[in-house]
Amino acid sequence: GAVVSQHPSRVICKSGTSVKIECRSLDFQATTMFWYRQFPKQSLMLMATSNEGSKATYEQGVEKDKFLINHASLTLSTLTVTSAHPEDSSFYICSATAGGFIGTDTQYFGPGTRLTVL
Amino acid sequence: KQEVTQIPAALSVPEGENLVLNCSFTDSAIYNLQWFRQDPGKGLTSLLLIQSSQREQTSGRLNASLDKSSGRSTLYIAASQPGDSATYLCAVRPESYNTDKLIFGTGTRLQVFP
Repeated sequence: GAVVSQHPSRVICKSGTSVKIECRSLDFQATTMFWYRQFPKQSLMLMATSNEGSKATYEQGVEKDKFLINHASLTLSTLTVTSAHPEDSSFYICSATAGGFIGTDTQYFGPGTRLTVL
Repeated sequence: KQEVTQIPAALSVPEGENLVLNCSFTDSAIYNLQWFRQDPGKGLTSLLLIQSSQREQTSGRLNASLDKSSGRSTLYIAASQPGDSATYLCAVRPESYNTDKLIFGTGTRLQVFP
């Protein structure tokens, strides 16, 4: 099956720094990538939808300037948490689809990135 | 607004029991419903995907059913094993959105003890 990787798998940073998380589709071209956030013992919440070559679409309540998303190629999307604070500590998961008709395509999930902001 | 709820939130059972996990959603206008497994600190593993026109899907000891009109799905796990211990998430793909985004349920944390 299709494989999606994330890097890094774990990051610890000081408050106020920026952190970049990469999401790569290893064996397929991902026209759309999704970024989710998961707090401890909670479900996944969609943050934004990222289409290659265009601006990301953010969910209500997600700050665009805080969570910068770049989908520069068909195999790579990046999420940058700018000026991170302890409340941004969470598990960030990306997923990717290869395109096709809406409602029929499968999302392939990455292994996640654990962000801890001190 | 689509909301997805899972019951129970947590479940602890001895090995060998047959289990039923429940998922309910408020808007029946969905393309499909998917069940995932998540191990602690890990990503998601897709278990079963049921299209809106289907009633059930089976994979090994897992069987998922879908009653779209009533907004319900169940995941049946036969002869549970300690290796089945994980969090199980259901997710729906709403028809109302012009994207392939998923709406996830709250999850059921399952522990199967020897």
